[in-house]
Amino acid sequence: DAKTTQPNSMESNEEEPVHLPCNHSTISGTDYIHWYRQLPSQGPEYVIHGLTSNVNNRMASLAIAEDRKSSTLILHRATLRDAAVYYCILEGGSEKLVFGKGTKLTVNP
Amino acid sequence: DADVTQTPRNRITKTGKRIMLECSQTKGHDRMYWYRQDPGLGLRLIYYSFDVKDINKGEISDGYSVSRQAQAKFSLSLESAIPNQTALYFCATSDSNMRGRGTDTQYFGPGTRLTVL
Repeated sequence: DAKTTQPNSMESNEEEPVHLPCNHSTISGTDYIHWYRQLPSQGPEYVIHGLTSNVNNRMASLAIAEDRKSSTLILHRATLRDAAVYYCILEGGSEKLVFGKGTKLTVNP
Repeated sequence: DADVTQTPRNRITKTGKRIMLECSQTKGHDRMYWYRQDPGLGLRLIYYSFDVKDINKGEISDGYSVSRQAQAKFSLSLESAIPNQTALYFCATSDSNMRGRGTDTQYFGPGTRLTVL
């Protein structure tokens, strides 16, 4: 599976939108883009995934670049409970998830 | 009740001891995974099992073994614990029937914090 690059940390203010970037320049045509997050002292939880088209669910939106070499996880209104480490993961047939270090999101009140 | 449970939640042991960490799930999933997480790092896959008769090594299987006693139970053993196995261990499950929809969403347990002295 191809590698992803994320900033180590980001900060946001409560009730403001947050855009978490992920670069995956070596993505292949069959790689799905998954996002998980890990709240403090908890196991990771699924956030969203997509292949080519932008995706929305109750937690977040996923914007995928036209060339698929980057994507952005969008939290529309950050809350204090969104403070977590966010992982961007590519999965394309290996049937395994490879977690990097992720982006630690701090949400300021 | 939690869908994925891990026991114990915390364990302190000594070098050379045999340790077993247990994972149970009520989600009816066929796939189960064991990961470890070290401070400041992401999760690394130790072993995974796609069904009761299928066990596979992950990225860092040395020093570990697993047993899939039933579809719902997947145990991780440290045959002779050493201090660098001190870490947070997570079990996860997923449903292979979802793969056709492009996702193999994994559901994680709460973790077991293991300290080897």
